[in-house]
Amino acid sequence: GQNIDQPTEMTATEGAIVQINCTYQTSGFNGLFWYQQHAGEAPTFLSYNVLDGLEEKGRFSSFLSRSKGYSYLLLKELQMKDSASYLCAAKDSNYQLIWGAGTKLIIKP
Amino acid sequence: GAVVSQHPSRVICKSGTSVKIECRSLDFQATTMFWYRQFPKKSLMLMATSNEGSKATYEQGVEKDKFLINHASLTLSTLTVTSAHPEDSSFYICSAKTGVISETQYFGPGTRLLVL
Repeated sequence: GQNIDQPTEMTATEGAIVQINCTYQTSGFNGLFWYQQHAGEAPTFLSYNVLDGLEEKGRFSSFLSRSKGYSYLLLKELQMKDSASYLCAAKDSNYQLIWGAGTKLIIKP
Repeated sequence: GAVVSQHPSRVICKSGTSVKIECRSLDFQATTMFWYRQFPKKSLMLMATSNEGSKATYEQGVEKDKFLINHASLTLSTLTVTSAHPEDSSFYICSAKTGVISETQYFGPGTRLLVL
């Protein structure tokens, strides 16, 4: 079956760095997305990786290893507003998005 | 760019009534729109994929006669929850792709439905 695994919850300190991991098992693979979702709001797009390697976008970076079925989202210089759920989603061979359950990130002062 | 709106943002209705939710792409043409529902603290669940001018493709377990989807134009898709029941209470979110090649889905702000 198809499956996305990511930690349920993580806690980090303001100003620090946090890495949210995601492993996926899909029928075929056509890219991996990271979305941010604040409580009660719809997800907003953060990043898209289809090739191996690191994509940096300001304070956020996303990494993909296709051979390992693994991705991570790296958040630097954490701010209180980064407290949110972070959703990992992989696109399968039918171009369907398979969603993880999300990682709730709690930032403490 | 790539803004998606949803209306209404919140709706409370009585059991047995029907509710229509609109999803609009404001500054682009969306050939494909998606409808999701999300229960509290749970992941997004895809309900259906809607292509302009054709019938929606529903995911397994989603009743197409209960959740009517219409994608009449390149900027508008509607989801109608017919004969709503309390178990239909949920957060409904639409998203849209900007084109055939585009990989990114842009999400609307969501509609919170409460059925009494």
